[in-house]
Amino acid sequence: QIVVTQEPSFSVSPGGTVTLTCGLSSGSVSSGHYPNWYQQTPGQAPRTLIYNTDTRSSGVPDRFSGSILGNKAALTITGAQADDECDYYCMLYIGSGIRVFGGGTKVTVL
Amino acid sequence: QVQLQESGPGLVKPSETLSLTCSVSGGSISNQYWSWIRQPPGKGLEWIGYIYYTGSTNYNPSLKSRVIMSVDTSKNQFSLKLNSVIAADTAVYYCARWYCSGPYCYYMDVWGRGTTVTVFS
Repeated sequence: QIVVTQEPSFSVSPGGTVTLTCGLSSGSVSSGHYPNWYQQTPGQAPRTLIYNTDTRSSGVPDRFSGSILGNKAALTITGAQADDECDYYCMLYIGSGIRVFGGGTKVTVL
Repeated sequence: QVQLQESGPGLVKPSETLSLTCSVSGGSISNQYWSWIRQPPGKGLEWIGYIYYTGSTNYNPSLKSRVIMSVDTSKNQFSLKLNSVIAADTAVYYCARWYCSGPYCYYMDVWGRGTTVTVFS
């Protein structure tokens, strides 16, 4: 069974930079996995930040960026703000029409 | 602007069938892919599967034996049935639309607000 891995939590200072990663239990993540990044605040539905590795969804500030770093997909928040404090999920396409979410990363801004 | 609204019973007994409907407003269900996603309390997101407006489906392998998705184009709705539910199926269930371009579907761009389903005897 394929598992998508994310850091459980991360802390960042206001104005700081943080990079979240999204890996596979076996193998490397590539653009062929069409990585998506979703942001979820408590009690709300997720919102798409990044799709197709590095494309920002409409209305997403440019301080959010996506990339492939080594063998993982990455989401970088540059100039973190207080309202960036929430949960972030990656999702990968693993073939045959199947999508898998990572376990999510809780980001704290303090 | 397309909006999605989940509906269905909030309580389901163990071993029974969970049935939810997602109503699409502000746009057509045709020529689109649609998904169900769930989130157990305090846990992460789980992709359940997708359905094309023609009725073609693809399910999460871990749920495949218990899931049926269907679409009703006349009502602009699609539905989820999950059989033989257990306590671990307690979750917020979301429906969502896929943004697709050409042969590829890239991300879920419109989400419902979610509906809570509790498996409770």
